[in-house]
Amino acid sequence: EPEVTQTPSHQVTQMGQEVILRCVPISNHLYFYWYRQILGQKVEFLVSFYNNEISEKSEIFDDQFSVERPDGSNFTLKIRSTKLEDSAMYFCASSYGGLNEQFFGPGTRLTVL
Amino acid sequence: ELKVEQNPLFLSMQEGKNYTIYCNYSTTSDRLYWYRQDPGKSLESLFVLLSNGAVKQEGRLMASLDTKARLSTLHITAAVHDLSATYFCAVDWDDKIIFGKGTRLHILP
Repeated sequence: EPEVTQTPSHQVTQMGQEVILRCVPISNHLYFYWYRQILGQKVEFLVSFYNNEISEKSEIFDDQFSVERPDGSNFTLKIRSTKLEDSAMYFCASSYGGLNEQFFGPGTRLTVL
Repeated sequence: ELKVEQNPLFLSMQEGKNYTIYCNYSTTSDRLYWYRQDPGKSLESLFVLLSNGAVKQEGRLMASLDTKARLSTLHITAAVHDLSATYFCAVDWDDKIIFGKGTRLHILP
């Protein structure tokens, strides 16, 4: 069964460094999403992406964040200058259409020291 | 914005007992999800409910949806220790998913 994959599973970085989290959505899906879960808290929407542009972003998704679909398979989340409070689990999701079920990847745990 | 409220947020129960987790949401939605999450792990999709009156069952878990009341329930029958986890209710809204705060379920042997 097709699934969303994410790499790495765990990333440790120093405060102020740039990180790129990678996702490979399900191959025929057209809509892509990033969500974040701070330890012990609920999952929060960050951004949605369709047709090579951002459809919607939350107030969490500030200028330090960017997303890109650099080729036909990958979908990336970049954090330019990480802060301690960026430590969280980041989930990628994809769906065929904007109103279709979203499928989540296994997540990347980001630890900022 | 749509709000999703779960209760209880923490539940400690004995093995063998039945219990229900409630999920209320504030605005009409086309799809409701239930997820399980073990500590430090990813989200495991349990149920996707689409229509009023939908009921789905998997093992000791049963989920139902009442779209008129904007209420979903997750019922646990004869709980076993392996069901200890955090359970999230989530709702589609405006091209994104809004999650509840989760119910941390602890089942005592």
